[in-house]
Amino acid sequence: AQTVTQSQPEMSVQEAETVTLSCTYDTSESDYYLFWYKQPPSRQMILVIRQEAYKQQNATENRFSVNFQKAAKSFSLKISDSQLGDAAMYFCAYRSEVAGGATNKLIFGTGTLLAVQP
Amino acid sequence: EPEVTQTPSHQVTQMGQEVILRCVPISNHLYFYWYRQILGQKVEFLVSFYNNEISEKSEIFDDQFSVERPDGSNFTLKIRSTKLEDSAMYFCAIVAGLSRVYGNTIYFGEGSWLTVV
Repeated sequence: AQTVTQSQPEMSVQEAETVTLSCTYDTSESDYYLFWYKQPPSRQMILVIRQEAYKQQNATENRFSVNFQKAAKSFSLKISDSQLGDAAMYFCAYRSEVAGGATNKLIFGTGTLLAVQP
Repeated sequence: EPEVTQTPSHQVTQMGQEVILRCVPISNHLYFYWYRQILGQKVEFLVSFYNNEISEKSEIFDDQFSVERPDGSNFTLKIRSTKLEDSAMYFCAIVAGLSRVYGNTIYFGEGSWLTVV
């Protein structure tokens, strides 16, 4: 069974600085997707960024980028120019691309709570 | 990003009562999910639903839980006899079709916060 591990329960960053959130996962599959979701105090789950395992190029979305290391099974999120609105819980998630395809569920890590200091 | 509306946003219920949580996607979707998140804990998969059938369910999804899509639009989660430990945020989620951009990404509704007293 696949697992996702986020080893940093809490992180803190100064406004305008850069922070990296770590995520590792365990799988025997070769086709899968990885995601970062943001959960602000409102508790809504907001997609931040996604990465297809077959792509070598790291995904980027404005100030958010990932460092995807497939062999090491590592998927970290970098937030550049941190803003107060980035303060939230961040979840790393895995989704298989094998067999069930679109019905495959997301497997979440335990989350990293990011604080942004003004 | 596709929109998913959940109702109610917050419900307080007596232990042992039945609860129905509703999910209304804005556009037509084929794949639906329910997840739950107990306060301070990780997001847990409950059930996936495709073509009006359950595709997969977790150990949490026991006989107290059921899902259906009665009118081809609303997707509901029913908890027959609520327990204190059912208190959690319940998220409906969808896969937005099979396009290259959206096809493998799960989008979440805003959640329904259930409090069992």
